[in-house]
Amino acid sequence: SQKIEQNSEALNIQEGKTATLTCNYTNYSPAYLQWYRQDPGRGPVFLLLIRENEKEKRKERLKVTFDTTLKQSLFHITASQPADSATYLCALDISGDTGRRALTFGSGTRLQVQP
Amino acid sequence: DTGVSQDPRHKITKRGQNVTFRCDPISEHNRLYWYRQTLGQGPEFLTYFQNEAQLEKSRLLSDRFSAERPKGSFSTLEIQRTEQGDSAMYLCASSPSSVGDSSYNEQFFGPGTRLTVL
Repeated sequence: SQKIEQNSEALNIQEGKTATLTCNYTNYSPAYLQWYRQDPGRGPVFLLLIRENEKEKRKERLKVTFDTTLKQSLFHITASQPADSATYLCALDISGDTGRRALTFGSGTRLQVQP
Repeated sequence: DTGVSQDPRHKITKRGQNVTFRCDPISEHNRLYWYRQTLGQGPEFLTYFQNEAQLEKSRLLSDRFSAERPKGSFSTLEIQRTEQGDSAMYLCASSPSSVGDSSYNEQFFGPGTRLTVL
């Protein structure tokens, strides 16, 4: 079956450290992978998009890697701050596999940055 | 505010009642999506519009659900004969069109409508 897995356990780290979140998928060949941030009671907010032919993408303190062989994306936040505390969602574009034009989301990982 | 807006933000209803939600996308976006999200889960796709045409519906969208986008601008999602299992956050998102059929562009989400069915 097709699955997108994100660590369901919350990730707790100290302020200033690097947070690393994992997104694994099976039986998909996504053209693109996106990361979103979601705060409680609010809609997701887009952070980064990475294409299948890109290995790494950076934006300020954020870095995303995409390994299509391992079927894995890693999302890093360097010099983390308490304001980074939120749930982070990985989303795949699987239109090439299924024709679906919408995103398929993982269940998200909650990040808690302690001051 | 030029973002995606949804109305109402919260809706409490009794089982068996009908409810309707509205989504106003970003004005120049011709793609509109509805998702449903339950606690601890990511958004699940419900349906997709390109302009006024509803191009795709998920198997999650039972016969009790109907969505429209009559003029290619705002959209409505109606749930008839609500059930307790319909309780969830209903999210609307929009994006501009892009080359080809992929969902290349980022999606802009509204704040959601939280539905509680008693």
